[in-house]
Amino acid sequence: QVQLQLSGPGLVKPSQTLSLTCAISGDSVSSNSASWNWIRHSPSRGLEWLGRTYYRSKWYNDYALSMKSRITINPDTSKNQFSLQLNSVTPEDTAVYYCTREHPTGYSDYWGQGTLVTVSS
Amino acid sequence: DIVMTQSPDSLAVSLGERATINCKSSQNILYSSNNKNYLVWYQQKVGQPPKLLMHWASTRESGVPDRFSGSGSGTDFTLTISSLQAEDVAVYYCQQYHTTPYTFGQGTKLEI
Repeated sequence: QVQLQLSGPGLVKPSQTLSLTCAISGDSVSSNSASWNWIRHSPSRGLEWLGRTYYRSKWYNDYALSMKSRITINPDTSKNQFSLQLNSVTPEDTAVYYCTREHPTGYSDYWGQGTLVTVSS
Repeated sequence: DIVMTQSPDSLAVSLGERATINCKSSQNILYSSNNKNYLVWYQQKVGQPPKLLMHWASTRESGVPDRFSGSGSGTDFTLTISSLQAEDVAVYYCQQYHTTPYTFGQGTKLEI
């Protein structure tokens, strides 16, 4: 059974960097078939896919175009986890953030519990 | 980006009655090479992450009651709950995984 455990601050000041980590158990961040996604949910924007990292003989990232200039998703193989960094946040980035495992065929089959991140001074 | 549009936004159904939720994609999400529709349905209850109900538009996940069924192809899809139970109160989302960025419908709130 795959489990995903999110950690990170619940409050970030505007213009600063939002950083979250997702620890994986029951699978490997270096899996050659799964991918590792970040998704967020806010009342104004609904569910929004942010991006993913995956390993297919080398590491790849895909990011939503709307995020591309501000987002970095990195794997950490030593800790079997992956991270999200979102720079220059504004109150519009306030949301519940989820990490997910993407099944080889493309849908998220396992979700972390979610963490509310509020952007406010 | 592929836009996913659900209808209705909210729905009130009596216990034991049928509930139908529609989802329309702005582009065809059927891959002709494998004849699969790249659509999932999720159920989200308050304070919980979305729960996967079905993939390939109509394949139920293990443990999902058979009162849930999915249908449709190409751009038009439907989630049907044949006999509503109290525990089915939730928000339901469709999502396409045909092309990144993966995109979600706005959600349908199902109430009794």
